[in-house]
Amino acid sequence: GQQLNQSPQSMFIQEGEDVSMNCTSSSIFNTWLWYKQDPGEGPVLLIALYKAGELTSNGRLTAQFGITRKDSFLNISASIPSDVGIYFCAGQVHPGGGADGLTFGKGTHLIIQP
Amino acid sequence: GAGVSQSPSNKVTEKGKDVELRCDPISGHTALYWYRQSLGQGLEFLIYFQGNSAPDKSGLPSDRFSAERTGGSVSTLTIQRTQQEDSAVYLCASSLGDPQETQYFGPGTRLLVL
Repeated sequence: GQQLNQSPQSMFIQEGEDVSMNCTSSSIFNTWLWYKQDPGEGPVLLIALYKAGELTSNGRLTAQFGITRKDSFLNISASIPSDVGIYFCAGQVHPGGGADGLTFGKGTHLIIQP
Repeated sequence: GAGVSQSPSNKVTEKGKDVELRCDPISGHTALYWYRQSLGQGLEFLIYFQGNSAPDKSGLPSDRFSAERTGGSVSTLTIQRTQQEDSAVYLCASSLGDPQETQYFGPGTRLLVL
């Protein structure tokens, strides 16, 4: 099946630093999504990307849908303590234009050191 | 408004027993998805429903897993003859059903098979 390679696996940063993480795939996705998961909770959608080359921002978060449709990155600027958590990329193919399940990366653990 | 709810929140069972996990989607959401998250891993897509119909059941890990949805609302995921490798968090999500509609996740059911 399809797989997403997400990196880095974990990040230890200082508060105020910028963060960058990315996902790559060997196959094409037609939608790229970035989720954040806090302990004991389900993932929450941060940014959705629907067009190759699209660059979208949501506050301090910026994400891009790679032009080849095989990669995406997420940047977080000026990190704050509540940014701590696990970030997942996810892709959808939409065969035939219909709904389908998400393929997830294995996550990036973001840890902010005081 | 009410989000996706799942029950039970935690389940401990003995190997060989059957378990039933329940998902209540957001009211009006026609699409419902089940995922499995093993410790330290990303989410693995299992099955989705459009209304009461599941077009593709190939994501279910084995024939011990089954899912149904009645009345276009509540869904149950049943695992028969549980094995220790079934231990994971089982997450449910729902969406309005359009391919680009956001999937909203519930908090999950944490299953431990002893």
